Amino acid sequence: DGGITQSPKYLFRKEGQNVTLSCEQNLNHDAMYWYRQDPGQGLRLIYYSQIVNDFQKGDIAEGYSVSREKKESFPLTVTSAQKNPTAFYLCASSIMTGAGNQPQHFGDGTRLSIL
Amino acid sequence: GQQLNQSPQSMFIQEGEDVSMNCTSSSIFNTWLWYKQDPGEGPVLLIALYKAGELTSNGRLTAQFGITRKDSFLNISASIPSDVGIYFCAGQLSGSARQLTFGSGTQLTVLP
Repeated sequence: DGGITQSPKYLFRKEGQNVTLSCEQNLNHDAMYWYRQDPGQGLRLIYYSQIVNDFQKGDIAEGYSVSREKKESFPLTVTSAQKNPTAFYLCASSIMTGAGNQPQHFGDGTRLSIL
Repeated sequence: GQQLNQSPQSMFIQEGEDVSMNCTSSSIFNTWLWYKQDPGEGPVLLIALYKAGELTSNGRLTAQFGITRKDSFLNISASIPSDVGIYFCAGQLSGSARQLTFGSGTQLTVLP
């Protein structure tokens, strides 16, 4: 089945550690996105990428880093500089057309907690 | 930046009742999307709207793209227990490669 796979489902981080969240899609989508979701809030954009080897900061990029070495993969690293990393992280992807980006489709998320 | 106001924040309804929720924006959008999120999962796209005034249905769900392009509503008819979840609206500008702007969500609870 085609889809977006995020792993792991749950992740625990110690203070001062970097952790990497995986996002893989086999939909052949051009664009990929990372969002952060906190309780009772909407989704906030961390980073996005429209093509391989290129990505742009979203609204809350500080303390995070990404790479886009392959079309199907867009890993997110939560660095020790992110002081409040506990959240639900969602990866999304979409097709890009001449009319603009088509609706984004989401993975099932990774819940990150601090030990 | 753009902001979306989604209301109500939460709703408690009896099974079989109809539900209505809406989003308003300080700016215009070219696309309105409605998603549903179940606990511990990612949002799932319910309805996409691309044209001002457009009215689109998906089963018991109906959504409209406001003619001012600054608002949208979602109706759910004859609610059932599996309708429980968080409903998000999202707006997108054509040519804006970056992103969707999300509302803060409506938490729906369906009582038996």
